[in-house]
Amino acid sequence: EVQLVESGGGLVQPGRSLKLSCAASGFTFSNYYMAWVRQAPKKGLEWVATISTSGSRTYYPDSVKGRFTISRDNAKSSLYLQMNSLKSEDTATYYCASDPPFAYWGQGTLVTVSS
Amino acid sequence: DIVLTQSPTTLSVTPGETVSLSCRASHSIGTNLHWYQQKTNESPRLLIKYASQSISGIPSRFSASGSGTDFTLNINNVEFDDVSSYFCQQTQSWPRTFGGGTKLELK
Repeated sequence: EVQLVESGGGLVQPGRSLKLSCAASGFTFSNYYMAWVRQAPKKGLEWVATISTSGSRTYYPDSVKGRFTISRDNAKSSLYLQMNSLKSEDTATYYCASDPPFAYWGQGTLVTVSS
Repeated sequence: DIVLTQSPTTLSVTPGETVSLSCRASHSIGTNLHWYQQKTNESPRLLIKYASQSISGIPSRFSASGSGTDFTLNINNVEFDDVSSYFCQQTQSWPRTFGGGTKLELK
């Protein structure tokens, strides 16, 4: 059974940093591009980042470019998202997902950016 | 960026009806369009990939079609369990973008 389990969310002040993790199991993690997708409360879905199978290529939308960094450890079947200079508009549930398309999803971890 | 416009925003239907949800792209995206279902307080679930390809485990009442800029998700014989938001998403180009969603309600 495919499982993606996110962790690391929580309450953080604006301008601070947070690192999310996603533990994968049940599929060959190293064969898949992986992504982070977020959803602000009562809002739609927003793609946040994608990383290639080896980790050599990363992709971001302008809204997070320069602030967020996606990385992976294939030996640990784990995906990460380092989030710096957090803003209130980054408040959302963050999902990790396989890509493309987003076939496997985790349960999400809530990040709240507030003073 | 490729903008995906979904319509209608909300759809209220009677169980047993057949419905069509629309997703229109601002530029041609071939068949690089995927559909997701999200129930309240749950993670999204992939329904259809590459415009019309079915996904294992998804009921056959869900089907989709389209290419270029116009795409449609069809739900035959709508059931109570189909109450959800439905999102389209493109992988033709970066950044990956989602439509704003269609919320399906039952009368």
